[in-house]
Amino acid sequence: ETVLTQSPATLSVSPGERATLSCRASQTVGSGLAWYQQKPGQAPRLLIYDVSTRATGIPARFSGSGSGTDFTLTISSLQSEDFAVYYCQQWRTFGGGTKVEIK
Amino acid sequence: EVQLVESGGGLIQPGGSLRLSCEVSGLAVNSIYMSWLRQAPGKGLEWVSVIYSGGKTYYGDSVKGRFTISRDNSKNTVYLQMNSLRAEDTAVYYCARDLAEASGNWFDPWGQGTLVIVSS
Repeated sequence: ETVLTQSPATLSVSPGERATLSCRASQTVGSGLAWYQQKPGQAPRLLIYDVSTRATGIPARFSGSGSGTDFTLTISSLQSEDFAVYYCQQWRTFGGGTKVEIK
Repeated sequence: EVQLVESGGGLIQPGGSLRLSCEVSGLAVNSIYMSWLRQAPGKGLEWVSVIYSGGKTYYGDSVKGRFTISRDNSKNTVYLQMNSLRAEDTAVYYCARDLAEASGNWFDPWGQGTLVIVSS
């Protein structure tokens, strides 16, 4: 079973800055990697699927990239509503999450 | 637009049973894959079970033999029957549409979640 390791656990960023989140897989996972955003008290929301395809209604400041075992979610210019926890997922496995907090 | 509404959560004693429901609107439940996932308090996400459009079901190792996923096409609802509940089953349970391709899958949308607390 593939293990997904997200880093860092917590990322402190100022509004307007760029955020780069990492997801590393224990084995090659192909193109079926997704990213989710979860705010306190809310259900997760799909951001990215198939590594780099934005889900419906997701702003262009969110982008996904990577291949093989290393994947990245980039938020180009953080808005106040982007401070949340982000999870990567492949098949039935989730990473442990990265919390993006206000610096 | 696909919408999912969970219900059925609550406080249950260890060893007890509970049935969660996920009412689906916007799509026929027997035309899609549907998963249950959960999130223990302050923890990450864990996939629990899936039911395919053809009726096949799969379970995570932590719930295999205790939980059963099913659906009622006439009510457009998916269920999660949870038996022999343990303290470690305490979590918010979400249902989600499971979109699968050859390369992988993703979950979209998600319901709002229902809280299950297993405690004496």
